[in-house]
Amino acid sequence: GQQVMQIPQYQHVQEGEDFTTYCNSSTTLSNIQWYKQRPGGHPVFLIQLVKSGEVKKQKRLTFQFGEAKKNSSLHITATQTTDVGTYFCAGPRTDKLIFGTGTRLQVFP
Amino acid sequence: GAGVSQSPSNKVTEKGKDVELRCDPISGHTALYWYRQSLGQGLEFLIYFQGNSAPDKSGLPSDRFSAERTGGSVSTLTIQRTQQEDSAVYLCASSLVFHGPLSPLHFGNGTRLTVT
Repeated sequence: GQQVMQIPQYQHVQEGEDFTTYCNSSTTLSNIQWYKQRPGGHPVFLIQLVKSGEVKKQKRLTFQFGEAKKNSSLHITATQTTDVGTYFCAGPRTDKLIFGTGTRLQVFP
Repeated sequence: GAGVSQSPSNKVTEKGKDVELRCDPISGHTALYWYRQSLGQGLEFLIYFQGNSAPDKSGLPSDRFSAERTGGSVSTLTIQRTQQEDSAVYLCASSLVFHGPLSPLHFGNGTRLTVT
């Protein structure tokens, strides 16, 4: 069945360093969504990518959707302590929205 | 505007008892989803509703799990004869349309279930 893997599983960075998480699907995705879950909180929608090769930016966050629509990445420039949390990608599979395994980001001040 | 509301927020139950978890989606959202998240883990898909219909129940872990949705609004997830491995946070989410473009999931705060 369709699997959505994310790497790395964990990432610890010093405040001000950059961070990237990668999302890989075993099948082509019609679109991909990204969510952020703060410690103790629930996932919150960040963005959706639909087009092959699409790049979207939200302040210090840059999201990319691969040309083959099977992978995606989230890059954070100059991390801040407020970026702490787990970042999930999610892709639809017919009747389900499958979430990736998540990347947990820890930022040290 | 209210978000997705789940109750109870916490539930401690003894092994073997039945529990009922409730989800009140955002008004007008036709799609409703249930996920389970164990401590420090990802989101495990359980079931979704399109209106009152649940076309695919294969995500439910066992026949002890059931869910229903009435009036295209409130949904309940019932776990019968709870087991310790059922302990997790149960998250409900709703969206305006099912997997439509620009239709993100809005999650509730979850119900933390502890089976002793």
